[in-house]
Amino acid sequence: SQTIHQWPATLVQPVGSPLSLECTVEGTSNPNLYWYRQAAGRGLQLLFYSVGIGQISSEVPQNLSASRPQDRQFILSSKKLLLSDSGFYLCAWIPPGFSYEQYFGPGTRLTVT
Amino acid sequence: AQKVTQAQTEISVVEKEDVTLDCVYETRDTTYYLFWYKQPPSGELVFLIRRNSFDEQNEISGRYSWNFQKSTSSFNFTITASQVVDSAVYFCALLSYNTDKLIFGTGTRLQVFP
Repeated sequence: SQTIHQWPATLVQPVGSPLSLECTVEGTSNPNLYWYRQAAGRGLQLLFYSVGIGQISSEVPQNLSASRPQDRQFILSSKKLLLSDSGFYLCAWIPPGFSYEQYFGPGTRLTVT
Repeated sequence: AQKVTQAQTEISVVEKEDVTLDCVYETRDTTYYLFWYKQPPSGELVFLIRRNSFDEQNEISGRYSWNFQKSTSSFNFTITASQVVDSAVYFCALLSYNTDKLIFGTGTRLQVFP
C-alpha cells in the first residue's frame, strides 16, 4: 500500500537554529511531492514542489529550502530559523498517473522559540 | 488570478442538524479541478472529493453531498444529520489543469455539539 510519513511529529527549536524535516513516501515511484505550511488558524501555503529527483520549484522566497535526494524522499531545511517559521508543515504527494488528488502526511508541528 | 474563498470562518451546529459549507472560486482556466479536504484535530488533511470542471453533476456520499455550479463558481459541501465526529476544519481547493499547484481557501471550522 502507498503511505506517506513525516518526521518528526513535533519540534521545538530556538531562533537561529537549523531545521531539517523529512518526508518519505512508500509503495510508489516518481511521485510529485509538495511542502505546505499552515500558520495557526490560517490556510495552507505551498512552499515547494518537486516532480523528480533534484527538481525543486520554490513558491515563496524565504529562508527555507527543499531538496529531493531520492525519488521518494523530500526534505525541508533551514540554516537559521525565524520566529515566523513556526507552524504546521505538511508534506503531500500525487501518485503517478496524474490523478490530481494530493494526499497528505500527518504533518510536523514546529515551534520556534 | 486563481483564488478560493471560504467566507464562513466558523460554524457551530447541534448534532443532527444539516450544515452547508460554502466555497467560491476564481479562475480563468476552462479546465480545472475542485477539492474538499477535512482536517480533524489531529492535523492531517483527509481527501474527501475531487470534481472536474466539465462535470457539474452533483455527488452524494453517505451523509456528504456536493453541489457544483459553474454559473456561480461555487462548490458547496453539505453534511446531512451532522455528528460530533464531523467537527473539523474543512478546506476547499482549486487546481488548474496547467499546473500542479493546489490553491486552498482559508478553511471553515465546523463544530458539532452533542
